[in-house]
Amino acid sequence: GAGVSQSPSNKVTEKGKDVELRCDPISGHTALYWYRQSLGQGLEFLIYFQGNSAPDKSGLPSDRFSAERTGGSVSTLTIQRTQQEDSAVYLCASSARHYEQYFGPGTRLTVT
Amino acid sequence: AQSVTQPDIHITVSEGASLELRCNYSYGATPYLFWYVQSPGQGLQLLLKYFSGDTLVQGIKGFEAEFKRSQSSFNLRKPSVHWSDAAEYFCAVGAGSGGYNKLIFGAGTRLAVHP
Repeated sequence: GAGVSQSPSNKVTEKGKDVELRCDPISGHTALYWYRQSLGQGLEFLIYFQGNSAPDKSGLPSDRFSAERTGGSVSTLTIQRTQQEDSAVYLCASSARHYEQYFGPGTRLTVT
Repeated sequence: AQSVTQPDIHITVSEGASLELRCNYSYGATPYLFWYVQSPGQGLQLLLKYFSGDTLVQGIKGFEAEFKRSQSSFNLRKPSVHWSDAAEYFCAVGAGSGGYNKLIFGAGTRLAVHP
């Protein structure tokens, strides 16, 4: 079946602009996660959604970062007023069972 | 706090040789442990997982891992490495309770395979 998809695959933006990254989870998966992968910080958890529960936002690095999940499916990660340190690969994952997360190919964000 | 340590940043082995990638974790309760592999430009692929039961778990691509509670380790092994195994390998622990929670990743081990 189809895996987790993310769009765009690459995004180049100017410092100070807002960006939106999209994630389509595997159909039927109730949990959705966002991670960030950068050279200096490795793989970092950002946020996760589980069903109708309040999202766990504990990994968001600043209030410039936000995410929503509409209809229990598609999720959008928004970064406002982008900074150069936001340059990274943003990975989305979804899960139907305990902790077994399946990852998408990622969105490479470059802030110039 | 939960943490994962992968002591080896880079490992090089010859094709056909055996492989062991080390992983140590810090977690207060029974851990949920994972190994993921990432090929260049790709996302993360789950190799294997440990939740409970048999401490030797089998995964895809001929990999296995052994959970040793006394050593807080979950090392990944393969008896004979293929050139296509060259990639970056990440060990992770599932943090929190309730079944759906974040993964804490190690820094990764980059594997190079010589012909």
